[in-house]
Amino acid sequence: GQNIDQPTEMTATEGAIVQINCTYQTSGFNGLFWYQQHAGEAPTFLSYNVLDGLEEKGRFSSFLSRSKGYSYLLLKELQMKDSASYLCAVRVTADRGSTLGRLYFGRGTQLTVWP
Amino acid sequence: DAMVIQNPRYQVTQFGKPVTLSCSQTLNHNVMYWYQQKSSQAPKLLFHYYDKDFNNEADTPDNFQSRRPNTSFCFLDIRSPGLGDAAMYLCATSRVGGSYGYTFGSGTRLTVV
Repeated sequence: GQNIDQPTEMTATEGAIVQINCTYQTSGFNGLFWYQQHAGEAPTFLSYNVLDGLEEKGRFSSFLSRSKGYSYLLLKELQMKDSASYLCAVRVTADRGSTLGRLYFGRGTQLTVWP
Repeated sequence: DAMVIQNPRYQVTQFGKPVTLSCSQTLNHNVMYWYQQKSSQAPKLLFHYYDKDFNNEADTPDNFQSRRPNTSFCFLDIRSPGLGDAAMYLCATSRVGGSYGYTFGSGTRLTVV
């Protein structure tokens, strides 16, 4: 099975930087995704890493270390609208040569941004 | 806009009464997924279709079935809903490979009374 772990809750203030960590143990790893989910809404795609290193996308960056089974999502210049749940998800493929995967989610980190 | 549409947004059903949730997509993605998400929990993969090939997760109860009559539509059938099946049901689509994210519909919140 897949074991994906992330903190349950985090808080930060507007304008600050916050880092949300995710660790995973899985076989057939084929990429790590971060999603944002507001209460009662569908998850929306934020970032994707398949190779080690940092991917930057505006105020959001995501890092992956495959050898450590570790990723983080970095949010800069926090805004009130960033208050949401952030889901770490791992894509798993049964066949090494295949890119057809199943996406398994962590429980999500509920981020609250205070003024 | 190309998108994933789930109907209805809210569904109330009676204990034991069969219910069907629907999902349609205009993205022409070849893979469609159904997830169950209970309050404050991770979305849990129930099954997925790669084109017409159906793939069940090992721990998905037999009470849950799915149909994909064509590329655009996918249905989730719950044969005998129990109170424990109350949840948000999310449909997602993707293309095979690369960095393509999975596009989610807005979900159907199912209440069992």
